[in-house]
Amino acid sequence: EDQVTQSPEALRLQEGESSSLNCSYTVSGLRGLFWYRQDPGKGPEFLFTLYSAGEEKEKERLKATLTKKESFLHITAPKPEDSATYLCAPASGGSYIPTFGRGTSLIVHP
Amino acid sequence: DTGVSQDPRHKITKRGQNVTFRCDPISEHNRLYWYRQTLGQGPEFLTYFQNEAQLEKSRLLSDRFSAERPKGSFSTLEIQRTEQGDSAMYLCASSLEAGSEQYFGPGTRLTVT
Repeated sequence: EDQVTQSPEALRLQEGESSSLNCSYTVSGLRGLFWYRQDPGKGPEFLFTLYSAGEEKEKERLKATLTKKESFLHITAPKPEDSATYLCAPASGGSYIPTFGRGTSLIVHP
Repeated sequence: DTGVSQDPRHKITKRGQNVTFRCDPISEHNRLYWYRQTLGQGPEFLTYFQNEAQLEKSRLLSDRFSAERPKGSFSTLEIQRTEQGDSAMYLCASSLEAGSEQYFGPGTRLTVT
């Protein structure tokens, strides 16, 4: 059974204080790993897809990386508007159904 | 097209009643997914469609739940004889093809009293 563990569960940062979120996964036959951002009461918003170990993608203050067992979401110089829950979801098998982690709740204080 | 839409956004129902939710995906997307999310958890897969065909259902999906996607366009999710444990956010997502990113709707929040 596919398993996804995200850490930390919650993270508080000061504006400008860079940090990383971790996603550890155990899936058979990884086909891709998705990162999403979710604001309270809203649906998840797509950020990145990573397909193979060593791949990196960037968007504004966010950079996602992938190894064979983990993915990291690096946040550089965060701003209060980056406050949200960040979800990791590896997908496996022919159907590409992602398994979502519980997320990391990020709060960035001004 | 502005994205995935869901209706209603909120539904309060009494235990034992039936409810139906609607999802309109992004128009050119072939795949449509239903998820359920409870507080503090990530979305949990329920079922998905490739065009009008329902290809997979979660083992956790009770037989009180049924979904349709007539003509491969919008989809409905029906819950019969609702229970308090059905209270959750029901999310719909669509994607262009297998493996491509999924775009989520705003969700329908169900409260069963």
